Amino acid sequence: GQQVMQIPQYQHVQEGEDFTTYCNSSTTLSNIQWYKQRPGGHPVFLIQLVKSGEVKKQKRLTFQFGEAKKNSSLHITATQTTDVGTYFCAATSGTYKYIFGTGTRLKVLA
Amino acid sequence: DGGITQSPKYLFRKEGQNVTLSCEQNLNHDAMYWYRQDPGQGLRLIYYSQIVNDFQKGDIAEGYSVSREKKESFPLTVTSAQKNPTAFYLCASSKQRHQPQHFGDGTRLSIL
Repeated sequence: GQQVMQIPQYQHVQEGEDFTTYCNSSTTLSNIQWYKQRPGGHPVFLIQLVKSGEVKKQKRLTFQFGEAKKNSSLHITATQTTDVGTYFCAATSGTYKYIFGTGTRLKVLA
Repeated sequence: DGGITQSPKYLFRKEGQNVTLSCEQNLNHDAMYWYRQDPGQGLRLIYYSQIVNDFQKGDIAEGYSVSREKKESFPLTVTSAQKNPTAFYLCASSKQRHQPQHFGDGTRLSIL
């Protein structure tokens, strides 16, 4: 079945450093969504990318969708302790099913 | 406020017992989903429903059952056939296909 690989699995950064997580698929995706899950919490929707090459920004967060619509990235500039959590990408390929990546767990050291 | 309500927050299952996890939404969303999350892992799809009285198996449906008799409700039953049920169960909904999912607070299920 369709799989979405996400790297890295873990990332520890010093507060103020940048952070990037990558999401890769072997098949073309209809769209890709990004979610954040705080420790002990539930995933919260961050953003959705639909168009090839699309770039969206939310304050310190920058999201990109690859030209071939097979990969995506989330970049956080100057991390803060509030950025701690696990970041998931989720992809759809034409059905109601969402395929979640394995997630990247971010720890920010103050 | 609209949202998704899951209950109970914690649940303990005895050997050979079936348990049912509740999921109710007042967002008027058509689609609903059940996911299982194991510690340090991603979300795996158990079942999903696009519309009332219809549902499809996800990637790990064995040992689970669902019903969708009302648009607002999508209960999940963890049967005794599920030999390793200890996990965090998340219910989600979306308005339509490809729309963002809204998640409930989850139910943590453990074996006694």
